[in-house]
Amino acid sequence: QVRLQESGPGLVKPSETLPLTCTISGGPISSYYWSWMRQSPGKGLEWLGYTYSSGRTKYNPSLESRVTISVDTSKNQIFLNLTSVTAADTAVYYCARHRFDGAGIDYLQHWGQGTLVTVSS
Amino acid sequence: DIQMTQSPSSLSASVGDRVTIACRPSQIISSYLNWYQQKAGNPPKLLVYSTSRLQSGVPSRFSGGRSGTDFILTISSVQPEDFATYFCQQSYTTPVTFGQGTRLDIK
Repeated sequence: QVRLQESGPGLVKPSETLPLTCTISGGPISSYYWSWMRQSPGKGLEWLGYTYSSGRTKYNPSLESRVTISVDTSKNQIFLNLTSVTAADTAVYYCARHRFDGAGIDYLQHWGQGTLVTVSS
Repeated sequence: DIQMTQSPSSLSASVGDRVTIACRPSQIISSYLNWYQQKAGNPPKLLVYSTSRLQSGVPSRFSGGRSGTDFILTISSVQPEDFATYFCQQSYTTPVTFGQGTRLDIK
């Protein structure tokens, strides 16, 4: 059973960088796409970007200047860095694993439990 | 970005009712539409992918389909554990986008 677990600081000061880690267990990290999402009452569910296990990435254009997603296959971990945070970045952050069906249609099959990040001084 | 508009935003139902939730994309997305269920304090859980394919382990009372330009999630007979929020999501193109959610609560 694949498990994903997000971890990181629960509180970040405005203008600082938010670092989060997603640790994968019970399954391989290789040959999969991995996404970060966040959810806040005001903005609903928002996709931040994905990485393939090779390190190839794609970001949401709305955040592209501030987001970096990376992977360490030796540690079975995915990372998110979000720079210059403001109160608007307060949210529950999730990592998830993609899967593709036979027709190549992509869906988010496994999600972590999420971690709440508050941006406040 | 492709906007995903769900309707209704909320609905009340009794156990045993048939419930339908609609999701309309702002542009054509072929069959690249997935549905998730979320309960308070938990992450979204995949219910239906590729418009109509039921995820393994999901009860058969859930089904997905299409009506005209709308994608539809149907619960044939609502059970107590189905009271939750439901989201649609398009994976046709990036950025991946989600509907705003439909909250299903007990009448």
